Amino acid sequence: EPEVTQTPSHQVTQMGQEVILRCVPISNHLYFYWYRQILGQKVEFLVSFYNNEISEKSEIFDDQFSVERPDGSNFTLKIRSTKLEDSAMYFCASGSGSGELFFGEGSRLTVL
Amino acid sequence: KQEVTQIPAALSVPEGENLVLNCSFTDSAIYNLQWFRQDPGKGLTSLLLIQSSQREQTSGRLNASLDKSSGRSTLYIAASQPGDSATYLCAVSERYSTLTFGKGTMLLVSP
Repeated sequence: EPEVTQTPSHQVTQMGQEVILRCVPISNHLYFYWYRQILGQKVEFLVSFYNNEISEKSEIFDDQFSVERPDGSNFTLKIRSTKLEDSAMYFCASGSGSGELFFGEGSRLTVL
Repeated sequence: KQEVTQIPAALSVPEGENLVLNCSFTDSAIYNLQWFRQDPGKGLTSLLLIQSSQREQTSGRLNASLDKSSGRSTLYIAASQPGDSATYLCAVSERYSTLTFGKGTMLLVSP
């Protein structure tokens, strides 16, 4: 069964460093998303991406964050200068247009 | 701003019981509602999607209902098994596919 894959599964970084989280969405999907879940809290929407541009973003998605679909298969989330409060599980999701979203296993980011 | 609440926060049942998980949302103008399962430290597995025009969806031992006007959904799990132990998340979409999540119900089914 097709699935969303994410790498790395866990990344530890120092505060102020740049981090890139990678996702390979399901191949025929057109809508791509990043969500995050801080430990013990709700899953929160970050950004949605369609037709090679951001279609919507939340207040969390400030200038420190960016997304890119560099090669038609990968979908990346970059955090330019990480802060302690960026520590969370980051989930990539994709959708075909049916309204149903499919999530990856997540990338756990730990900022020291 | 849409708020999603799930009750109970945690539930512990013996194997074989039928159980109901509840989800409520404050703004009834939703596009759809999706139930997910999350195992500890893992991703979200989609269980059921209910479009706003639908009243319920079924998959195996799972049945989800939606009462849009009252802002409520229930997830019914029949004949629970230890393998059902996980956190169950409810999420609603107001705009196309941007989901607002509840905090989840942590379910433990004991043998």
